[in-house]
Amino acid sequence: EPEVTQTPSHQVTQMGQEVILRCVPISNHLYFYWYRQILGQKVEFLVSFYNNEISEKSEIFDDQFSVERPDGSNFTLKIRSTKLEDSAMYFCASSRDRPIYFGEGSWLTVV
Amino acid sequence: AQSVAQPEDQVNVAEGNPLTVKCTYSVSGNPYLFWYVQYPNRGLQFLLKYITGDNLVKGSYGFEAEFNKSQTSFHLKKPSALVSDSALYFCAVRDLSSASKIIFGSGTRLSIRP
Repeated sequence: EPEVTQTPSHQVTQMGQEVILRCVPISNHLYFYWYRQILGQKVEFLVSFYNNEISEKSEIFDDQFSVERPDGSNFTLKIRSTKLEDSAMYFCASSRDRPIYFGEGSWLTVV
Repeated sequence: AQSVAQPEDQVNVAEGNPLTVKCTYSVSGNPYLFWYVQYPNRGLQFLLKYITGDNLVKGSYGFEAEFNKSQTSFHLKKPSALVSDSALYFCAVRDLSSASKIIFGSGTRLSIRP
């Protein structure tokens, strides 16, 4: 069964550093998302991406964040100048129509 | 604005007993409704969805959910709980008018005791 894959599974970074989280969505999917979850709490929407542009973003997704689909298969989330409060599990997701399928997540720890 | 509410932070059930995890929703149009499960240190796994049709939808691992439009609810159910069902369960809604994001509830931790 096709699945969304994410790398790295876990990254520790120093405050102020840039981080890139990578995702390979399911191949025939058209919509791509990033969500985050802090310490097993609520899953929060960050951004959705369709037709090579951001279709919607939350108030969390400020200028510190950016997304890119550089080569037609990968979908990346870049966090510039990380803060302690960016420590969370980041989930990539993709969909073609109704259900959204999630990856296993990238656990980011900012120290 | 669309939203979902899961009124229970935790549900405790004995193995073999039926379980219900509650969810209510609020959307401006017709909803797409979903349940996801998260096992410890794992990602979000799709369980089931309601779009149209029968109000009782069946999903993975013997779970089912009942859509009730008048009560705006979409409760997750299972006739006989297993210890392995212990996990964090999220209800989610997607507005039919938007081909975009889904919104998650706050999650309910289901604990099944042997």
